[in-house]
Amino acid sequence: DTAVSQTPKYLVTQMGNDKSIKCEQNLGHDTMYWYKQDSKKFLKIMFSYNNKELIINETVPNRFSPKSPDKAHLNLHINSLELGDSAVYFCASSHDLTGAADTQYFGPGTRLTVL
Amino acid sequence: AQKITQTQPGMFVQEKEAVTLDCTYDTSDPSYGLFWYKQPSSGEMIFLIYQGSYDQQNATEGRYSLNFQKARKSANLVISASQLGDSAMYFCAGLTGTASKLTFGTGTRLQVTL
Repeated sequence: DTAVSQTPKYLVTQMGNDKSIKCEQNLGHDTMYWYKQDSKKFLKIMFSYNNKELIINETVPNRFSPKSPDKAHLNLHINSLELGDSAVYFCASSHDLTGAADTQYFGPGTRLTVL
Repeated sequence: AQKITQTQPGMFVQEKEAVTLDCTYDTSDPSYGLFWYKQPSSGEMIFLIYQGSYDQQNATEGRYSLNFQKARKSANLVISASQLGDSAMYFCAGLTGTASKLTFGTGTRLQVTL
């Protein structure tokens, strides 16, 4: 009964490669997010989608491309991976786009290591 | 824009004692929400507790309570009767009514000792 799931949990790859991380939520939420947690544990939003539509794109290099085939899925594709992309990537989902009471629930994270 | 500040990089507490983790926020939006998340060493982000700017009472969830002081712009997390399993990173985060993105603080690492 996992609420927000991500695959893979670990991803080790060479510089220059292209990789994808998948995210699925079974909470019936309309909004999904990608966050990046750096080596100092700082979390920052990258993207948000509401019902398959891109809402937030936070000055992320265009090597990162989110794709939402339906409102339960939000995948993250990264082209030409760089050393600085090494981080933990979290997917999250929430019920509603607007409103300050909109609790976001996080997936388990994907630890990406670029060699 | 919203700013979240956690000034305690690390805290120690003895088992069964209470501990307060500090969080201050800064926003001009009258409608906002404040959240606490726990990140154990296994890495997942676990939602703990929420406080809304218009809530009259402090939020409580089991052993977690939120000491919300609007005038001071603080939303401190209180964990009562600490357990070894409470050892983790704790993040304060804020959400405003006009933007759906969570803004996180830098986190506090809590270590519960015997």
